[in-house]
Amino acid sequence: GQQVMQIPQYQHVQEGEDFTTYCNSSTTLSNIQWYKQRPGGHPVFLIQLVKSGEVKKQKRLTFQFGEAKKNSSLHITATQTTDVGTYFCAASGSARQLTFGSGTQLTVLP
Amino acid sequence: GAVVSQHPSRVICKSGTSVKIECRSLDFQATTMFWYRQFPKQSLMLMATSNEGSKATYEQGVEKDKFLINHASLTLSTLTVTSAHPEDSSFYICSARRYDEQYFGPGTRLTVT
Repeated sequence: GQQVMQIPQYQHVQEGEDFTTYCNSSTTLSNIQWYKQRPGGHPVFLIQLVKSGEVKKQKRLTFQFGEAKKNSSLHITATQTTDVGTYFCAASGSARQLTFGSGTQLTVLP
Repeated sequence: GAVVSQHPSRVICKSGTSVKIECRSLDFQATTMFWYRQFPKQSLMLMATSNEGSKATYEQGVEKDKFLINHASLTLSTLTVTSAHPEDSSFYICSARRYDEQYFGPGTRLTVT
């Protein structure tokens, strides 16, 4: 099956600093999705990237899909305490089942 | 729209007993639902794909006789953990597929004593 590697596992930043998490796959992905999970909560869909080289923005969040469709990144500009949580990338399979990356747990220090 | 509920949210059971977890899509029909398991500080691992009106598809390493899945209607899938053991203690999350997006339930925290 698909495997998606995600780094870093943990990231502590000072409020106002930027944050980036990266996902890599050894195989070409049809699409990649990003989710945020708050402590004690469930994953919440953020975005889906489908096209090679695609870049999408949601306010302070910027999502990129690599040209080869094997890697993706999520960048948060000027983090806020509300950004705290674990960010997962996930690759979609043929039946739309998701293979999740290991996640990056973001802590924002006020 | 696209709300998925799970019941119960938290359950404690004794070793050897069975526990049923329900996953419902409240405002849409879902022919496909997914069951995931998440251990503390780990990622979500897909257990099985639940298809309405047919048998579930289990991921490698997941015992189908231990984790019984029933998807009897377009809005309800159930996961029954049979003969639960302490190592089955985990956070079980379902999701329902709507077009290209998946909507996750709030999860069920199972503790087996």
